[in-house]
Amino acid sequence: NAGVTQTPKFRVLKTGQSMTLLCAQDMNHEYMYWYRQDPGMGLRLIHYSVGEGTTAKGEVPDGYNVSRLKKQNFLLGLESAAPSQTSVYFCASSYLRSSGGSNTGELFFGEGSRLTVL
Amino acid sequence: GENVEQHPSTLSVQEGDSAVIKCTYSDSASNYFPWYKQELGKGPQLIIDIRSNVGEKKDQRIAVTLNKTAKHFSLHITETQPEDSAVYFCAANRRNMLTFGGGTRLMVKP
Repeated sequence: NAGVTQTPKFRVLKTGQSMTLLCAQDMNHEYMYWYRQDPGMGLRLIHYSVGEGTTAKGEVPDGYNVSRLKKQNFLLGLESAAPSQTSVYFCASSYLRSSGGSNTGELFFGEGSRLTVL
Repeated sequence: GENVEQHPSTLSVQEGDSAVIKCTYSDSASNYFPWYKQELGKGPQLIIDIRSNVGEKKDQRIAVTLNKTAKHFSLHITETQPEDSAVYFCAANRRNMLTFGGGTRLMVKP
């Protein structure tokens, strides 16, 4: 059982280049998320999806796009990379556990993708 | 939106001592508060969580307390061990969005 797999694990880009990060989960989870992690700032939510074919903006969506064409995959795209997007990116998935209008399902994280934009 | 503040940013304790990490949140509608542990080079993993209708929850050496009135929650680790060394994140959930604190690097000295 692989859980959540992110590819690639490392990538170096030049300013203005584009790329896509792929997240795949094999737990049949409804919810998927993309976070970025920067020193001292914790994890900030970029975009998330509550099911196949749906996406929504998180706290820091600017400069990123996402797609969820298949339930098991969640793609994060950078159309024109900027140095400010240098970060470690984490994908997560969760089952739906509804409580008081919130999803309280545990998040299962991948091991991260380190992106450097020069 | 929600804002979660976490203190301290670093914490060093002797093996066997207790460690306490504190968080505050801003949105009174948040109703779920998990804690995640991140080891070097890995993604965060859930260690304990608490819902807004509960004041305290314990799991072996780990406990979490919640004060809804003060919008404050804390993680307590007793009898710390070297393997507790990691970065710990608190979080608050409102609807489908989980907002994380800035993290606490805990170092347990043998």
